[in-house]
Amino acid sequence: GAVVSQHPSWVICKSGTSVKIECRSLDFQATTMFWYRQFPKQSLMLMATSNEGSKATYEQGVEKDKFLINHASLTLSTLTVTSAHPEDSSFYICSAIDRVNQPQHFGDGTRLSIL
Amino acid sequence: GESVGLHLPTLSVQEGDNSIINCAYSNSASDYFIWYKQESGKGPQFIIDIRSNMDKRQGQRVTVLLNKTVKHLSLQIAATQPGDSAVYFCAEAPGSWAGGTSYGKLTFGQGTILTVHP
Repeated sequence: GAVVSQHPSWVICKSGTSVKIECRSLDFQATTMFWYRQFPKQSLMLMATSNEGSKATYEQGVEKDKFLINHASLTLSTLTVTSAHPEDSSFYICSAIDRVNQPQHFGDGTRLSIL
Repeated sequence: GESVGLHLPTLSVQEGDNSIINCAYSNSASDYFIWYKQESGKGPQFIIDIRSNMDKRQGQRVTVLLNKTVKHLSLQIAATQPGDSAVYFCAEAPGSWAGGTSYGKLTFGQGTILTVHP
């Protein structure tokens, strides 16, 4: 149980393109989803917290107009990297929980490479 | 840029040995702690969790110890296997009373690379 699916797993695109990443909870309803960014050999850095039906809460230093988050249902959240540039290349990972202080369950990440 | 994150601590062990991975957490108000395992190119996988009202919890081949006095968390893996090779992260979360924007948020430690030699 508690499976989180992330799609796509790998994206390569040109600079200036917008890229959408989907995060789905397959067998539970996720009251809250989280988006992280991870650079090579580094830890996960929380970008934003997404609650179904409300605006996402962004961490300090994360541009909300650059990283658009939509959490339209209890099983789906999307992250759109708008006008992506090479410095946006990273590993983006989502997670989901159904109750507070229960383990966050993670997707397998999306490797984003901007040329 | 900051270089601390570019050099994760490493632990190398022989197959069959016991492994101990340590983590110092930052927030004395944290109420919930989790260990995750991350294999290359994948998302973190839940291993075991512990709440602040406990100091030890055991799972299958794993034990988590919590020392709130010195804000220290450890993960013990018994009879380590090559398949245990991965990066291990500890994470902390505020108490359930911390509503609003702190709801469910995790803060991750820097991670430890575990390599198990056959």
